[in-house]
Amino acid sequence: NAGVTQTPKFQVLKTGQSMTLQCAQDMNHEYMSWYRQDPGMGLRLIHYSVGAGITDQGEVPNGYNVSRSTTEDFPLRLLSAAPSQTSVYFCASGPRGGPAETQYFGPGTRLLVL
Amino acid sequence: AQSVTQPDIHITVSEGASLELRCNYSYGATPYLFWYVQSPGQGLQLLLKYFSGDTLVQGIKGFEAEFKRSQSSFNLRKPSVHWSDAAEYFCAVGQTTDSWGKLQFGAGTQVVVTP
Repeated sequence: NAGVTQTPKFQVLKTGQSMTLQCAQDMNHEYMSWYRQDPGMGLRLIHYSVGAGITDQGEVPNGYNVSRSTTEDFPLRLLSAAPSQTSVYFCASGPRGGPAETQYFGPGTRLLVL
Repeated sequence: AQSVTQPDIHITVSEGASLELRCNYSYGATPYLFWYVQSPGQGLQLLLKYFSGDTLVQGIKGFEAEFKRSQSSFNLRKPSVHWSDAAEYFCAVGQTTDSWGKLQFGAGTQVVVTP
């Protein structure tokens, strides 16, 4: 199993550009989520999904869109990038069963918005 | 609203010395509690978790954590630190009422290990 994979590893954008951060998992997990990590703030939940076709907002959803057409993939879209979105983005997945289940994290995507 | 506090932003410890990282949480009931480690340039790896039973939890890499309900704490410990333990450590809580895996993280503690 590859686990949770994220692409790209690093990206530089100009303000106003759009891009999609890819996330895929091969563990057949129903639950997937996106976090952003900023210095001194830990990880904050952006969006999450409890299955194909079902998504919901987390703590900091503004400026980001998600969709989930398959169990395996959960892309995160930035429609118009802003410098405030400079961050490290982590995707995670976990099985149904609630927070007692282990969440598995990808290696992260480092995004710089100029 | 629930919250997670890691009071120490940065800790420096000598190799071979003991390590304790503090975590306090605010939640109406006993939450699910986690410690994750992030090595430089890597994703997060689960060290250990607690959701019921024995309040002293053993994890990977020789770490343990103790849940103290009266102090709303879940401190992480290691008796003897190795240079490879230099990393950032995150405490996280999950709601027992949540059917899924949403986690709330503390700000993290950066651990530096000196020779």
